Amino acid sequence: AQSVTQLGSHVSVSEGALVLLRCNYSSSVPPYLFWYVQYPNQGLQLLLKYTSAATLVKGINGFEAEFKKSETSFHLTKPSAHMSDAAEYFCAVSLFGSSNTGKLIFGQGTTLQVKP
Amino acid sequence: EPEVTQTPSHQVTQMGQEVILRCVPISNHLYFYWYRQILGQKVEFLVSFYNNEISEKSEIFDDQFSVERPDGSNFTLKIRSTKLEDSAMYFCASRPDGPGNTIYFGEGSWLTVV
Repeated sequence: AQSVTQLGSHVSVSEGALVLLRCNYSSSVPPYLFWYVQYPNQGLQLLLKYTSAATLVKGINGFEAEFKKSETSFHLTKPSAHMSDAAEYFCAVSLFGSSNTGKLIFGQGTTLQVKP
Repeated sequence: EPEVTQTPSHQVTQMGQEVILRCVPISNHLYFYWYRQILGQKVEFLVSFYNNEISEKSEIFDDQFSVERPDGSNFTLKIRSTKLEDSAMYFCASRPDGPGNTIYFGEGSWLTVV
């Protein structure tokens, strides 16, 4: 069965600093991987996704993630944090195929705090 | 941009009452989902719905829960005989057919059982 582990429930960075949010997955077949962001009192918004094309994926708001099969990782990065990046970030894995509904399995989430 | 809409945004109900949460998925999408997020916890899959039937459900989705798509546009989640532990944010989501397509989420319905 698929699973996702996000290392660090809380990450705090200074404005302008590098953001690194870690995600490791477990899947018996090549997965599709997603990062979603949840701002306070809002729904989940897709940041970016990996669907077996380029291993380095660029998303919205300057975020990117690299799929590393050897490390079963899909870490999210942003070179320079902005105050507006403060939110909850969720990594998710999904399988697609005749017996799979494409449901998302989420990690526990990482709260990103950005300090001025 | 098309979006998934959910109503109500917040509902307070007494324990033992029935609740219906409503969703309007994006119009050309074929897969529909309900997820749950208990306060401070991760987002959990409840059920997926395709071709007018449940295609997959989690252990959480027991006989207390049901879903239906009554009129080709709305997608509802019914929770019978609510319990305190049903208090959570419930997200509806939908996606188009095809592998790797994005699942779009609504803004959620916050259910408080008292």
